[in-house]
Amino acid sequence: NAGVTQTPKFRVLKTGQSMTLLCAQDMNHEYMYWYRQDPGMGLRLIHYSVGEGTTAKGEVPDGYNVSRLKKQNFLLGLESAAPSQTSVYFCASSYSVQRSSYEQYFGPGTRLTVT
Amino acid sequence: KQEVTQIPAALSVPEGENLVLNCSFTDSAIYNLQWFRQDPGKGLTSLLLIQSSQREQTSGRLNASLDKSSGRSTLYIAASQPGDSATYLCAVRSGSARQLTFGSGTQLTVLP
Repeated sequence: NAGVTQTPKFRVLKTGQSMTLLCAQDMNHEYMYWYRQDPGMGLRLIHYSVGEGTTAKGEVPDGYNVSRLKKQNFLLGLESAAPSQTSVYFCASSYSVQRSSYEQYFGPGTRLTVT
Repeated sequence: KQEVTQIPAALSVPEGENLVLNCSFTDSAIYNLQWFRQDPGKGLTSLLLIQSSQREQTSGRLNASLDKSSGRSTLYIAASQPGDSATYLCAVRSGSARQLTFGSGTQLTVLP
């Protein structure tokens, strides 16, 4: 049981490049989330999904797109990276129908630098 | 819009002291509140989760309380140790997707 995993752990991009961050969970959770954390701040919600094939915008969605084609995976895309997107990105999952719990479990994070 | 505030932003105490971290939120319509620990350069570790119907939760030397009507929660750490040094984040769960809104955290340093 790996919990929530994120790929890659580190990445450096040039302005204008694109990339996709992958999040995977093996807890059969319904909900998945992408957050970003900037220095000295708490986490802010980018996008989330309440089930396979669904996505919705969070607090700071601009410049990002997401997809959830499979229940266990949630992808975060940056189409044209900007220095303002330099941050640490965390994926989380929650809600097990069987356990009726909304406790969120977090991945280890992806540190992204855009130069 | 839910807003979460944590005070103080940083705290330094000698080993062995009992301490309290504070968290306040603006909208009392929450499902639950979760306290996390974050070590430098690491992910988040869940410490305690308090359901909206509960008043407190305990785990070892940690005790978290919730006063939903006043929009406040406290995390009490007993007999602090240097290994407790980390950033502590408070987050409240609300909204249709049960998303979390985080505070900015309290950076705790326990001096040996």
